[in-house]
Order: sequence, then C-alpha cells, then structure tokens
Amino acid sequence: NAGVTQTPKFRVLKTGQSMTLLCAQDMNHEYMYWYRQDPGMGLRLIHYSVGEGTTAKGEVPDGYNVSRLKKQNFLLGLESAAPSQTSVYFCASSYTWDRGYGYTFGSGTRLTVV
Amino acid sequence: SQKIEQNSEALNIQEGKTATLTCNYTNYSPAYLQWYRQDPGRGPVFLLLIRENEKEKRKERLKVTFDTTLKQSLFHITASQPADSATYLCALDNSGYSTLTFGKGTMLLVSP
Repeated sequence: NAGVTQTPKFRVLKTGQSMTLLCAQDMNHEYMYWYRQDPGMGLRLIHYSVGEGTTAKGEVPDGYNVSRLKKQNFLLGLESAAPSQTSVYFCASSYTWDRGYGYTFGSGTRLTVV
Repeated sequence: SQKIEQNSEALNIQEGKTATLTCNYTNYSPAYLQWYRQDPGRGPVFLLLIRENEKEKRKERLKVTFDTTLKQSLFHITASQPADSATYLCALDNSGYSTLTFGKGTMLLVSP
C-alpha cells in the first residue's frame, strides 16, 4: 500500500531548464492536487484535478502546467524554471468530499533552481 | 480577503499536559475544517475532519472543536508526549471548489 508517491525527491535545475514532477496514487482517489510549501508562506495550491482528463488552476498557477491523463497520475511541469520556483512541492490526493476523508500527501520534492 | 490564522510562535509544554492549538479564520464559510500534522522533511498527515454542523470530534487523545459563530477551531492533545512534537496545520475547504486552504501551522514542542 504505497499511498502517494512523488518522483524525484530532490532536483537542482538551472534557470530556464524544464522538468516534470510525477505524482502517482494507488488509492483510486478522484481528486489530486499540487501544492508548494515555502518558509513563512505555508502550503499554497498550484493546480488541482477533480477527475481524469480535468485540471484547474489554484492560487499560484503561473509558470506551471499539469496533466492528468490517467486517474492515478498527476504531472506537474515547469517549462522554464525560475529561482522563484525554488520550493518543496507536495502532491496530494483525496476522495470526494462527501466521504469525509482528508488528503493523503506524498513525501515531497525539494527543487532548487539556480 | 480570506485569512486563516494560527499562532506563529511555537507552543512549548511539558509531557503529560494538554496542548491546545488555535485556528481562526475570516471571510470563509467552510463546510469542513481539517487538522494535519507535519514532521520536518515530511508531507502533512491527516488527523481529523470536522463538519460545520459538528461541535466536537474526538480521536484517541485528540479533540477538535469547531465554532462557526466565533470562526474558530481548537485542537487539543491530551496527555501529550514528546512524540507529539511537530507542526500542526489547520485547513478549510473552499466551498464548491473541492480544495483546501491551509494555515501556516503552529509548532508544538513537548518536553520530557
């Protein structure tokens, strides 16, 4: 029972490079989310998905793109990395709200853009 | 604007005492309020969910209250242990948007 798996765990990028963060969940959750966590800022929602093939913008979507081609996977892309995107990225998934469960988070990806 | 406030200062208590953490919010009408625990270098872990029509929820040594009039939730850990030391986050749903907004968290330090 893996839960939510994020890859990679660490990455250093140069400004302008691109990368994709992968999130996979094995709980058959409908909803998936990408958050970033910065010191003093807390967790901020980047993008989310309420089902396969659907995505929506969160609080801080600029500079990121996402795709959810399969229910179990949610990809976060950085097309042209900037130092302001240095952060810890968390993926989470959940059932629909009426089930009364919270989010299950992955262990995070620590990204540094130099 | 919408705001979720948790004490930014760490809460230091002695083992065996009850820890009480506060979450205040403004300009929200949440249907749910949730509490999470986060250890350094780890993702948050879900602890409890309380609905707007519930006043109190318990789980083992944890108790959460939710006062929609005061716009406040209190999170209690009874008989606290050093292993309870962590940062605790409250989160509110954004009604109709299937997402949560998180507070910045309060660090709890339980000393032996």
